[in-house]
Amino acid sequence: DAGVIQSPRHEVTEMGQEVTLRCKPISGHNSLFWYRQTMMRGLELLIYFNNNVPIDDSGMPEDRFSAKMPNASFSTLKIQPSEPRDSAVYFCASSITGQRQETQYFGPGTRLLVL
Amino acid sequence: AQSVAQPEDQVNVAEGNPLTVKCTYSVSGNPYLFWYVQYPNRGLQFLLKYITGDNLVKGSYGFEAEFNKSQTSFHLKKPSALVSDSALYFCAVRDRDTGRRALTFGSGTRLQVQP
Repeated sequence: DAGVIQSPRHEVTEMGQEVTLRCKPISGHNSLFWYRQTMMRGLELLIYFNNNVPIDDSGMPEDRFSAKMPNASFSTLKIQPSEPRDSAVYFCASSITGQRQETQYFGPGTRLLVL
Repeated sequence: AQSVAQPEDQVNVAEGNPLTVKCTYSVSGNPYLFWYVQYPNRGLQFLLKYITGDNLVKGSYGFEAEFNKSQTSFHLKKPSALVSDSALYFCAVRDRDTGRRALTFGSGTRLQVQP
């Protein structure tokens, strides 16, 4: 049974470039979360979707960040233009909303380095 | 607002000895509590959770955690540590009385098990 799939696993880009991170949630899960992990701020939520609809984007840093979920099996997180301070590990997680046991399962992460 | 505190950046224990990784939380309502483990260059793996009911929760790989409402704590324990348990451990909380499904994570505790 495949878990959450993220691509790419590693991304190195130059400041000002557009970066797109991709996530495929676990089949049947209807909630999807994007988190960012940095040494300074730890793990923090960026945005989450329920049934493909963005519910809480209060963690999105600024207008340079955008996220979409066009269907139940795919989401993207885009940074345009990228800046060195965006360097972090970006995790996608999914869960089944409505169950009491609403455990979030995480993907392997995308390690982003902006030079 | 919800928050999690993991007061120890690192815990060192000898193989075969019991281990405890501390976590305290703050929520305005009732908590859902989680422990995740992160191995180097990997995503977060779910270990266990407290939803309601028994205060002692058993999880994967022989780990357990004890929910203490009066002390607002959810410490992770294992009776006999293994070298392979060495990793970064995160405690997380969600307020089950609000609609917000995002997890708030602690800063993480690095567990080092010496042979």
